[in-house]
Amino acid sequence: GDSVTQMEGPVTLSEEAFLTINCTYTATGYPSLFWYVQYPGEGLQLLLKATKADDKGSNKGFEATYRKETTSFHLEKGSVQVSDSAVYFCALSPSNTGGFKTIFGAGTRLFVKA
Amino acid sequence: NAGVTQTPKFQVLKTGQSMTLQCAQDMNHEYMSWYRQDPGMGLRLIHYSVGAGITDQGEVPNGYNVSRSTTEDFPLRLLSAAPSQTSVYFCASSYFGGGGADTQYFGPGTRLTVL
Repeated sequence: GDSVTQMEGPVTLSEEAFLTINCTYTATGYPSLFWYVQYPGEGLQLLLKATKADDKGSNKGFEATYRKETTSFHLEKGSVQVSDSAVYFCALSPSNTGGFKTIFGAGTRLFVKA
Repeated sequence: NAGVTQTPKFQVLKTGQSMTLQCAQDMNHEYMSWYRQDPGMGLRLIHYSVGAGITDQGEVPNGYNVSRSTTEDFPLRLLSAAPSQTSVYFCASSYFGGGGADTQYFGPGTRLTVL
């Protein structure tokens, strides 16, 4: 079945460092790919998404490109801030399902030190 | 718009007790889902609904019941609580079609402890 694998954390960085969180997926068809972020004590919220191959999703300085040839959707940010400390989830939604069967990775916790 | 709301925020139960976790959304979304979040395991789908009167099982449905009598509400019932059900529960809604399709909108969660 469909699945998502993301790098284990925690990841600890200093402020202004470069961030990469790796994500690979297994799916049939053409799923939509997502990164969600969870701040302490809150629910998940959408960070960015991409719906087809070679699409780049971006938001708040974060970027990820839908790579069908490598089945990857790695999250990057050029300069992290303390406020980026959170848990990041890679996810996929099988094509044409409306999101209710979204599959999530295990999450990667990011700590950013001042 | 309040978005997706969940009550209660925290709950402690004893083994064998039953309870209902409430979830409501005011975005007129067709689809609603319940997930549980456990350390190192991400979110796992418990049950989902594609519209009023229609529900189906997800990955980990045992010990839980759901119903969907209205578009807005999607309660999750624990029939006889067990310590293995200690978790954080999230409700989410989504819709089909359009630029924002497939995105899930999450509630703030319910932290449940079963003793």
